[in-house]
Amino acid sequence: EIVMTQSPATLSVSPGERATLSCRTSQSVSGNLAWYQQKPGQAPRLLIYGTSTRATGVPARFSGSGSGTQFTLTISSLQSEDFAVYYCQQYNKWMYTFGQGTKLEIK
Amino acid sequence: EVQLVQSGAEVKKPGESLKISCKGSGYSFTDFWMGWLRQMPGKGLEWLGIISPGGSNATYSPSFQGQVTISVDKSISTAYLQWTSLKASDTAMYYCARRGSGDYWGQGTLVTVSS
Repeated sequence: EIVMTQSPATLSVSPGERATLSCRTSQSVSGNLAWYQQKPGQAPRLLIYGTSTRATGVPARFSGSGSGTQFTLTISSLQSEDFAVYYCQQYNKWMYTFGQGTKLEIK
Repeated sequence: EVQLVQSGAEVKKPGESLKISCKGSGYSFTDFWMGWLRQMPGKGLEWLGIISPGGSNATYSPSFQGQVTISVDKSISTAYLQWTSLKASDTAMYYCARRGSGDYWGQGTLVTVSS
């Protein structure tokens, strides 16, 4: 099983500032890394797939990067609607696995 | 427009059986793998298993192997998640999601198991 480690667990950022979320995998996932946003009471929403490709309709302020076993989700200028929990997930090798999540909260 | 619409919330007793559904529309159902995921109250996301587009090959996470069954009915573009004997620990929100990268998700089905 590929273990996914996200950091930090909670990130406090002011609106308009940049947020950087990290995800480390226990082995290479060949770039098959996705990021999701989940708000309370809602299903997760795909933001990024293939490490850096934005899903349909995702604003350009969301960007993904990384390689090997280190990946990053950057939100360039936080809007009020961006405060949520973010998960990374590898889909390279079954069993697909998620990180434990980063809660992005308003500072 | 691609949509995955799940069946409604369920309240069951321990030992009862249950089958929940996920109906796809707006795309060719037999072109994409479909997965089921669990989110326990206040917790993160876990994959239970995934099934091939035609339904011939279902793969399960070790934790769920033998505990649930995933199937599809291609004729009505619907995937299913089934239990034969529910436990209180099965209480959770269950989501279907299209393909391993989860590009589309159902709205979730809340399953509550309580005596």
